[in-house]
Amino acid sequence: GESVGLHLPTLSVQEGDNSIINCAYSNSASDYFIWYKQESGKGPQFIIDIRSNMDKRQGQRVTVLLNKTVKHLSLQIAATQPGDSAVYFCAENPGASKIIFGSGTRLSIRP
Amino acid sequence: DSGVTQTPKHLITATGQRVTLRCSPRSGDLSVYWYQQSLDQGLQFLIQYYNGEERAKGNILERFSAQQFPDLHSELNLSSLELGDSALYFCASRAGGDGTEAFFGQGTRLTVV
Repeated sequence: GESVGLHLPTLSVQEGDNSIINCAYSNSASDYFIWYKQESGKGPQFIIDIRSNMDKRQGQRVTVLLNKTVKHLSLQIAATQPGDSAVYFCAENPGASKIIFGSGTRLSIRP
Repeated sequence: DSGVTQTPKHLITATGQRVTLRCSPRSGDLSVYWYQQSLDQGLQFLIQYYNGEERAKGNILERFSAQQFPDLHSELNLSSLELGDSALYFCASRAGGDGTEAFFGQGTRLTVV
């Protein structure tokens, strides 16, 4: 099906360290990108977004970087906490109103 | 709470049956999206409606159909159910078109036995 690719299916990080989750997208026409967090048994929750006219955007403890040249997105989480344990999805908006999701990266936190 | 409501939360049905999943979008949101998520998989885009009209279609099976009503709620109909249709079905709503985030409901877990 239509999807955005992810580099790693799982990521284990020490509590307090920074996490970096990567994502490759395929459609060069995509002009809007979103990161979602999905906790077990819940719906995806919006974290942060970025438009294609930007290469960096910061939120609270999170930063998204966009490299349009290589069609790559990353989500950086600073000072990772146990509550950050979840599956993280990147999604792209390739026009025609679609929002296409990647397969997800599971983030686990080591105490 | 995202403001998107999906009912029912859980549904168990037999193969060959038909079910209807319901979604109420956030107040004022015109776009509704449907996604399917199988166990430990990503979200597969099924279909999108905008203000009552079909706007975009993904890999939706012919056995599945959807509609959005004048009050903007949406229903996803799944018929001739197969074991492989067991999944989480999510609805999301969005205020407008491109360039804004979508808000997701808590999903309907469908189990086909």
